[in-house]
Amino acid sequence: AQKVTQAQTEISVVEKEDVTLDCVYETRDTTYYLFWYKQPPSGELVFLIRRNSFDEQNEISGRYSWNFQKSTSSFNFTITASQVVDSAVYFCALSEALGGTSYGKLTFGQGTILTVHP
Amino acid sequence: DAEITQSPRHKITETGRQVTLACHQTWNHNNMFWYRQDLGHGLRLIHYSYGVQDTNKGEVSDGYSVSRSNTEDLPLTLESAASSQTSVYFCASRELRNTEAFFGQGTRLTVV
Repeated sequence: AQKVTQAQTEISVVEKEDVTLDCVYETRDTTYYLFWYKQPPSGELVFLIRRNSFDEQNEISGRYSWNFQKSTSSFNFTITASQVVDSAVYFCALSEALGGTSYGKLTFGQGTILTVHP
Repeated sequence: DAEITQSPRHKITETGRQVTLACHQTWNHNNMFWYRQDLGHGLRLIHYSYGVQDTNKGEVSDGYSVSRSNTEDLPLTLESAASSQTSVYFCASRELRNTEAFFGQGTRLTVV
């Protein structure tokens, strides 16, 4: 069975601080996908990134960066110089690879509530 | 633009009533999913479907059912609403090329 753990329930930072959101996963699949979604106060789920299990390169997109380490089954998300608009709930998710009898279901972590204070 | 829409956005119903939440996508995706979101639990899978006439139970399927009569729609039915089913419900769809899942705006259901 797949499992995703986001141990940090809530994080509070002051604007311009860097913050890292942790994500640890469990799976028996050799091919899988990892995701981060953002849920702002308006409630919709916003896709941030997808990473497949064969690609361990870190990725940077503006103030966002992701560190994927298969050795520790982690896919951590860092926001550099946080801003008030970053305040949201962030979800890490794991998916089996689509194909054959796989439906590509996403398994989500519990979410981390990030509050950035001005 | 293709999209996925849920209706209603908000609903209050009484215990014991049957309720149906609609989900409609124009992405032409075969894979569709229903999740519920509760504080401390993240999003949990209720039901999912691979295509027309295919439905499967997720981890929290008790008290819920779905049907898939066409590619675009996956309605979620609460057979007899219970207070424990007060939650925010999200529908999602995903295509075969392992892209991200696209989510609807969510339906906030309150059972009183």
